[in-house]
Amino acid sequence: QKEVEQDPGPLSVPEGAIVSLNCTYSNSAFQYFMWYRQYSRKGPELLMYTYSSGNKEDGRFTAQVDKSSKYISLFIRDSQPSDSATYLCAIPDSGGGADGLTFGKGTHLIIQP
Amino acid sequence: EPEVTQTPSHQVTQMGQEVILRCVPISNHLYFYWYRQILGQKVEFLVSFYNNEISEKSEIFDDQFSVERPDGSNFTLKIRSTKLEDSAMYFCASSGVLDEQYFGPGTRLTVT
Repeated sequence: QKEVEQDPGPLSVPEGAIVSLNCTYSNSAFQYFMWYRQYSRKGPELLMYTYSSGNKEDGRFTAQVDKSSKYISLFIRDSQPSDSATYLCAIPDSGGGADGLTFGKGTHLIIQP
Repeated sequence: EPEVTQTPSHQVTQMGQEVILRCVPISNHLYFYWYRQILGQKVEFLVSFYNNEISEKSEIFDDQFSVERPDGSNFTLKIRSTKLEDSAMYFCASSGVLDEQYFGPGTRLTVT
């Protein structure tokens, strides 16, 4: 069964704080993991893509995967008001071409100036 | 930076009418997708398309839906007889040789 779960929030933090967003999944066959950011009434914007356990860093963003716990995280350092959005984790079915993504419902993040 | 574009941004139609949603994927991408997002709900996969045929489809993608790549640049989603529950944001996405899918801005479909 393809299930991806996220706490919907809202998560409200002050500007400059470190944000931790989390996602759990049920299917141990998942191999690839993505984080998207979605502003209200806009399309999802790809932030991070990883296909292994451990950490991947891109600027202020760090994606972390723990396959043994089926748990993925996105950390945002030095958070800015412009980071206020809904963050979606997404997992392709098997990692081959043309796989549909299974999305979590998203966590609504609010960065307070 | 190349991006996926979609038209129209908003489509209003009456129940039972046919609608066609249009997308221009990123030019060198090989895989194309449609997703929908009902207000307040998850983004849901509808269908993927590769090499001029459907590669994968979800349970949502029933006989009322069809996809087409009529030329070298456009990718369309047709809903033959719209229902009220088809009201949603519809997103087109495309990917290259990697699995990273890039989404368009969406078409908001309102069925009255």
